[in-house]
Amino acid sequence: GNSVTQMEGPVTLSEEAFLTINCTYTATGYPSLFWYVQYPGEGLQLLLKATKADDKGSNKGFEATYRKETTSFHLEKGSVQVSDSAVYFCALSSGGYQKVTFGTGTKLQVIP
Amino acid sequence: GAVVSQHPSWVICKSGTSVKIECRSLDFQATTMFWYRQFPKQSLMLMATSNEGSKATYEQGVEKDKFLINHASLTLSTLTVTSAHPEDSSFYICSASAGGFNEQFFGPGTRLTVL
Repeated sequence: GNSVTQMEGPVTLSEEAFLTINCTYTATGYPSLFWYVQYPGEGLQLLLKATKADDKGSNKGFEATYRKETTSFHLEKGSVQVSDSAVYFCALSSGGYQKVTFGTGTKLQVIP
Repeated sequence: GAVVSQHPSWVICKSGTSVKIECRSLDFQATTMFWYRQFPKQSLMLMATSNEGSKATYEQGVEKDKFLINHASLTLSTLTVTSAHPEDSSFYICSASAGGFNEQFFGPGTRLTVL
């Protein structure tokens, strides 16, 4: 079956530091890949997505590239801000947005 | 993005009682709604998928008689945990979609604690 593995947190960074959150996946066929973000007290929000190999999803300074050869979709941001503090979930779907499989989530804390 | 609400945001109940959680899509018609369960430091696990006006489709291992799902309108789905026990304590999250390949929009979740 499908599965997603992402690095455990919490990750604590100083403001303006470089962020990488690793994510690897196992899936049959050609899944779509997502990063969701959950701010404190709020629901999950779609941060970015990629639907085929070598696609790069980007939003709000975050980027992730769909690497089929390494089955990875690592999340990066060049300069984090305090407002980026949240829990980040890597996810995949093998049929549009139906039956999304989530990773365990990585909590990011950015300190001034 | 679209807004999905859940009510209540947290609930404490006694063992053996039933608890109902509501999920509402506030500004769009949700043909499909999903219910997830999240244990501490674990993934969101899909419990069931419901399409408006149809019976829910439950994932393997989820007891349909214990977790009753109703999706009677295009803006409301309910999850009822019947005869709740302490092991049912968890964080329940719903999401809503306009169906097909449309994006899922997530609610803020409901924290259930069964004493």
